[in-house]
Amino acid sequence: DAQLTQSPSSLSASLGDKVTITCRASQRISNYLHWYQQKPGKAPNLLIYGASNLQSGVPSRFSGSGSGTDFTLTISSLQPEDFAIYYCQQSFAGLTFGGGTMVEIK
Amino acid sequence: QITLMESGPTLVKPTQTLTLTCTFSGFSLTTSGVGVGWIRQSPEKALEWLALVYWNGDERYNPSLGSRVALTTDTFKNQVVLTVTNLDPEDTATYYCAHRRRSDKWSAFDYWGQGALVIVSS
Repeated sequence: DAQLTQSPSSLSASLGDKVTITCRASQRISNYLHWYQQKPGKAPNLLIYGASNLQSGVPSRFSGSGSGTDFTLTISSLQPEDFAIYYCQQSFAGLTFGGGTMVEIK
Repeated sequence: QITLMESGPTLVKPTQTLTLTCTFSGFSLTTSGVGVGWIRQSPEKALEWLALVYWNGDERYNPSLGSRVALTTDTFKNQVVLTVTNLDPEDTATYYCAHRRRSDKWSAFDYWGQGALVIVSS
């Protein structure tokens, strides 16, 4: 299975900031990379699938990029409802999740 | 509207077998491209995929759990049942079932149940 390493594990940011989270795979996984947001007490919510495809209903300030081993989730302008934990997940070699990135208020 | 709901015991003893039922609505598990997966989240918030059943009956399991995990599907009742044998306190987690987004390529989960907390303790 491909392992995923997210960085940073946590970050502090202000409203309106541009935020970037990275996910690195232990082997090439093409574009089989997906991003989720999870808020306290809730199930994960799919944001991006196939590395760069915005899931229906997700605000356009979220975007994803990358292919192969290095991927990025970007929030263009941080909103109050974006403070959460973000996870990447791959489905190329088995199915695994990254360790998560907590986005906190500065 | 797609919904999923997990049901089962909250407290189980070590070495026992856990049985969780995912009851879903709003889709058919026979529709090409879809699937139902099980994912658990530890108290430390780590997510771990356990198993996935596809529309064609194909099943995939996380090899790290060996033969401890199995799925049973009832397409008439719209249910997918997860069994985990030989429980250990390390299996304490919130267990989610989720809908595999319809795709001939990617396994991403676009609808999730609310989760079922399972505590393994004597």
